[in-house]
Amino acid sequence: GAVVSQHPSWVICKSGTSVKIECRSLDFQATTMFWYRQFPKQSLMLMATSNEGSKATYEQGVEKDKFLINHASLTLSTLTVTSAHPEDSSFYICSAHSLGQGSNTEAFFGQGTRLTVV
Amino acid sequence: LAKTTQPISMDSYEGQEVNITCSHNNIATNDYITWYQQFPSQGPRFIIQGYKTKVTNEVASLFIPADRKSSTLSLPRVSLSDTAVYYCLVAPAKYSGAGSYQLTFGKGTKLSVIP
Repeated sequence: GAVVSQHPSWVICKSGTSVKIECRSLDFQATTMFWYRQFPKQSLMLMATSNEGSKATYEQGVEKDKFLINHASLTLSTLTVTSAHPEDSSFYICSAHSLGQGSNTEAFFGQGTRLTVV
Repeated sequence: LAKTTQPISMDSYEGQEVNITCSHNNIATNDYITWYQQFPSQGPRFIIQGYKTKVTNEVASLFIPADRKSSTLSLPRVSLSDTAVYYCLVAPAKYSGAGSYQLTFGKGTKLSVIP
């Protein structure tokens, strides 16, 4: 099946610095990708919808100036956590959709990025 | 977006069949039901998807009654490696534009397989 690759798998950064997370669709083109955040023992929460060639759409309560999303090509979306603080420590997951069998849409997820801000 | 309700947790012994039921009373006509599996510190992995009746693949079966207000994921003969969180989601089958295919995750069911 389709593959979505996320990099890095984990990152530790100092408070106040910025961190960039990449999400790539390896064998299909994705005009839209989604970014989720997952805190320990909780479910995935949608942060934003990343649209190729246009601005991302953020969910209510997600600061667009803090979580910068760039979707410059049909296979790459990046999430930059700016001026990271310890409360931003979480598991970040991206997903991309491709057409599956019978023209149904299938969602494929990256392996996630564990961000720890110290 | 249709809201889903699942049991918070389930325990099962190795080799048993496990059935996880999900309620989605407000499912729309064009919604499909999809189940995902998530291991700790990994992204969700697609298990199975269906619209009505029964769907079976190499890892699971999905049973959907005629009213489609619920669905049951059936895992035959579970092993320790099936210990994970299982999410039931409902969403339109065909992606038709930005913002129209958001997946809303519920709390999921934490399945613990016991030796």
